[in-house]
Amino acid sequence: GDSVTQMEGPVTLSEEAFLTINCTYTATGYPSLFWYVQYPGEGLQLLLKATKADDKGSNKGFEATYRKETTSFHLEKGSVQVSDSAVYFCALGADTDKLIFGTGTRLQVFP
Amino acid sequence: DAEITQSPRHKITETGRQVTLACHQTWNHNNMFWYRQDLGHGLRLIHYSYGVQDTNKGEVSDGYSVSRSNTEDLPLTLESAASSQTSVYFCASSDRNPGLRAGELFFGEGSRLTVL
Repeated sequence: GDSVTQMEGPVTLSEEAFLTINCTYTATGYPSLFWYVQYPGEGLQLLLKATKADDKGSNKGFEATYRKETTSFHLEKGSVQVSDSAVYFCALGADTDKLIFGTGTRLQVFP
Repeated sequence: DAEITQSPRHKITETGRQVTLACHQTWNHNNMFWYRQDLGHGLRLIHYSYGVQDTNKGEVSDGYSVSRSNTEDLPLTLESAASSQTSVYFCASSDRNPGLRAGELFFGEGSRLTVL
């Protein structure tokens, strides 16, 4: 069945460092891909999404490109801030809103 | 502002007891979902509903039930709580029509359940 694999955490960075969180997927069709973020004590919220191959989703300085050839949707940010510390979830959805989530990657950014 | 609220936010119960977690949304969304979040597993789908009187099993539905008597609410019931059901539970909703490409989910703040 469909699945999402993302890199283990925690990822620990200094402020202004470059961030990459890897995400790969397995799907039989052509799903939409999402990154959700969970700040401490809160529910998940959508960070960005891409609905077809080669689409780039972007928001708050984060970017991810839907790569069909490598079945990947890696999250990147050029310069992280302490306020970006959170858990990041990669997810895929096919023809419904039944999203399949990865295990989550905790990001810790230190000043 | 429209929102989605879960209650209780924290609950401790004993093995064998019945527990109900409430989820209420004011967006008038047709679609509602219950997920559980566990370390090493991420979020896993328990049950979901695409409208009033519609309920469906998700990936990890054993030991859980839901009912949808109105648009706003989807309560999650654990008929006989087990220690393996200790988890953080998230309710979510969306307004995407089933069958269309996946859209955005709006999540509640979660309910932390401990079963002793």
